[in-house]
Amino acid sequence: EDKVVQSPLSLVVHEGDTVTLNCSYEVTNFRSLLWYKQEKKAPTFLFMLTSSGIEKKSGRLSSILDKKELFSILNITATQTGDSAIYLCAAQGGSEKLVFGKGTKLTVNP
Amino acid sequence: KAGVTQTPRYLIKTRGQQVTLSCSPISGHRSVSWYQQTPGQGLQFLFEYFSETQRNKGNFPGRFSGRQFSNSRSEMNVSTLELGDSALYLCASSFGTSGDTQYFGPGTRLTVL
Repeated sequence: EDKVVQSPLSLVVHEGDTVTLNCSYEVTNFRSLLWYKQEKKAPTFLFMLTSSGIEKKSGRLSSILDKKELFSILNITATQTGDSAIYLCAAQGGSEKLVFGKGTKLTVNP
Repeated sequence: KAGVTQTPRYLIKTRGQQVTLSCSPISGHRSVSWYQQTPGQGLQFLFEYFSETQRNKGNFPGRFSGRQFSNSRSEMNVSTLELGDSALYLCASSFGTSGDTQYFGPGTRLTVL
């Protein structure tokens, strides 16, 4: 059965810290891995990764995929209180369904 | 471009009732997927529709059903509600199949009493 595991489940840091969120996956016929940020309701898209070793970057956020070890990380540098959210990782396999992890709840304190 | 819209935003029902939720995708998007989100299970895939046809289905009982109309709007129906159906129901749209990036709506919060 396809599955995605995220760690840690929750994290509390201070503004300015750098955080690394982890996502490991097991899906049949892997196609892509996606990261979303969920603040109140609607998850908002961050990154889609399909190739190993190519870092995707957007401002202070970056992500990379390792298809050999079946994991991805999401880095956030110089965290701000506005980064507080649940970060969701999802993997897509041959069925094209998205399988989500349970998320990492990040709290950034001032 | 308007985002994905879902109605209603909040619903309170009692056990045994049925409910219909609606999702309007981003203009031009033809694929709509539905998810159930609960604190214990996280986001779980319900089903996906593309061009009025169900393409994929998750592991939910037959009480959960859906459909898509010719304008790509989609509805999800849950019959014989159970307490455990209380959840946030999210819909996501994408241009093509779910291989494309999915954009989520704000969700419908369903509470079953």
